[in-house]
Amino acid sequence: DIVMTQSPDSLAVSLGERATVNCKSSQSVLSSSNNKNYLAWFQQKPGQPPKLLIYWASTRESGVPDRFSGSASGTDFTLTISSLQTEDVAVYYCQQYYTNPWTFGQGTKVEIK
Amino acid sequence: EVQLVQSGAEVKKPGESLKISCKGSGYSFTSYWIGWVRQMPGKGLEWMGIMYPGDSDTKYSPSFQGQVTMSADKSISSAYLQWSSLKASDTAMYYCARGGQQLVNGDYYFYGMDVWGQGTTVTVSS
Repeated sequence: DIVMTQSPDSLAVSLGERATVNCKSSQSVLSSSNNKNYLAWFQQKPGQPPKLLIYWASTRESGVPDRFSGSASGTDFTLTISSLQTEDVAVYYCQQYYTNPWTFGQGTKVEIK
Repeated sequence: EVQLVQSGAEVKKPGESLKISCKGSGYSFTSYWIGWVRQMPGKGLEWMGIMYPGDSDTKYSPSFQGQVTMSADKSISSAYLQWSSLKASDTAMYYCARGGQQLVNGDYYFYGMDVWGQGTTVTVSS
């Protein structure tokens, strides 16, 4: 299985400041078919299902605010919230969908400082 | 509106069987994969597997292979997750989610699980 390791487990950021969540895959999730990293980011608020934010490591899902962005460098992936808002308080998960099983990271809890 | 609506909460005893459902609407149900994700109380997300309702092709996570069965009824746009003998450790929230795909130059490429059901809580207790 590909192991996805997120860091940190939690972080507290002041309103309007930048929040950065990291995710590292134990092996490449880059597809040679379309030269895309098969890596997604999800946001889960309490009592709600996860919501897709970013796919192919850096493509924002329709309707997702542009303060959310994703980037990749080899097997290292980053989700950045450029200016944290109160509604961004949630747990964020990365997931690789390159190979079975489609594994998730353990989650990163983002709170307001 | 594209949506997945799951069946209601279940309370069962160990050893009982169970089948929960996930009904799709607003899109071609047979043209997209449907995946299942487990979330145990207070824990993270675990991918259980994915199924293509068009031909019933199913890919189970090794962790769940033999523990659950995924199926679908195309005629009513519904996917199912079932257990033959529940255990207390099956207590969790279960989500279904659509496997989003993009058609690029004649080929389909997954881009992630783009539409999620609201979840079904399963409680197994004696």
